[in-house]
Amino acid sequence: GAVVSQHPSWVICKSGTSVKIECRSLDFQATTMFWYRQFPKQSLMLMATSNEGSKATYEQGVEKDKFLINHASLTLSTLTVTSAHPEDSSFYICSGRTGDTEAFFGQGTRLTVV
Amino acid sequence: GQNIDQPTEMTATEGAIVQINCTYQTSGFNGLFWYQQHAGEAPTFLSYNVLDGLEEKGRFSSFLSRSKGYSYLLLKELQMKDSASYLCAVLDSNYQLIWGAGTKLIIKP
Repeated sequence: GAVVSQHPSWVICKSGTSVKIECRSLDFQATTMFWYRQFPKQSLMLMATSNEGSKATYEQGVEKDKFLINHASLTLSTLTVTSAHPEDSSFYICSGRTGDTEAFFGQGTRLTVV
Repeated sequence: GQNIDQPTEMTATEGAIVQINCTYQTSGFNGLFWYQQHAGEAPTFLSYNVLDGLEEKGRFSSFLSRSKGYSYLLLKELQMKDSASYLCAVLDSNYQLIWGAGTKLIIKP
């Protein structure tokens, strides 16, 4: 299947700093990118959906000014967690899709805010 | 509202067969996915059904009945490495993935 490369795999940052997570579709063009968050022992929760070249659509309860999503090209999308706090510690996963095909997931990023 | 139900946890024996059920009520339907997720890792794609019937792929098979809002994932010849969570997800009319909470499958020797 197609590959989505996500990095970093894990990151530890200090409270109040910002962290950027990148997702690249290596062998396909991701017209749509989904960003998910997963807290321990819970299901994946969709944070936002972005289509290349347009603003992301955020799910209810997700602060768009805190979680900045950029999908400037068909192969790259980024999620920046701004002014991170310990409660933002979670597993963040991106997923790319071209057209109506299955979604291909990145490897995930485990964020720990101390 | 939209809802996907699957059992929280199941236990099976190595070498046996297990069936994980998923029922859904969603606004529209554009396909159903099954994903496998090992602890601490991202989900990996297992299957995609959009038409009724059984799709077989090696030891894993997935079945869909759109009229019943029902799917199952069948795992044969279970191996210890199959211990994982299995996630059912439906693509709704807006092409958004609606996720179930996942079924934790425990394989015993």
